[in-house]
Amino acid sequence: DQQVKQNSPSLSVQEGRISILNCDYTNSMFDYFLWYKKYPAEGPTFLISISSIKDKNEDGRFTVFLNKSAKHLSLHIVPSQPGDSAVYFCAASPDSNYQLIWGAGTKLIIKP
Amino acid sequence: DTGVSQDPRHKITKRGQNVTFRCDPISEHNRLYWYRQTLGQGPEFLTYFQNEAQLEKSRLLSDRFSAERPKGSFSTLEIQRTEQGDSAMYLCASSLGQSKNYGYTFGSGTRLTVV
Repeated sequence: DQQVKQNSPSLSVQEGRISILNCDYTNSMFDYFLWYKKYPAEGPTFLISISSIKDKNEDGRFTVFLNKSAKHLSLHIVPSQPGDSAVYFCAASPDSNYQLIWGAGTKLIIKP
Repeated sequence: DTGVSQDPRHKITKRGQNVTFRCDPISEHNRLYWYRQTLGQGPEFLTYFQNEAQLEKSRLLSDRFSAERPKGSFSTLEIQRTEQGDSAMYLCASSLGQSKNYGYTFGSGTRLTVV
């Protein structure tokens, strides 16, 4: 039972263009959503988050959008840079114990 | 403070052997988490500690798995009688308990291969 789904295993984007990574969830009780970035041989690093009371959060080149009615969130990276090439994980929190439920990840490749 | 450290980085073991991994969290972080990640999947929660107390364990954590955090600082994860299905990346993370942005800091993980 996958509560957090990232349906695109990989995404290739030209440098300078916008990268859009998508995430769907099934549990309406999730109240906090996060994006993590992972390089090979390293642990995931926190990128950006959004609370369920908001529909948008922006941090520099990164913006996360939340559509609660559709149970969908997306991460926009603009402009995309070569250093953005990594695996991006969407995660959600079902309760206050801070346990995270993770998607399977999307590998983003930025082409020069 | 250099972040979350995990040791060893890689471990190859024969089926049936016991293995133990260590995690040193960021010193001021009171929460410590263990996750497991298999190829092509996101991390799966195993267990977490607040200080030395183990507050939650996933059903993924079978009787062969045990985790400790004896003095509320470093933690160990032991797997007894390893099976090939235990092959995975074991990730440790730490955070401050009151941090609503979760503020997880992950280590680089221990990759276990059971042959």
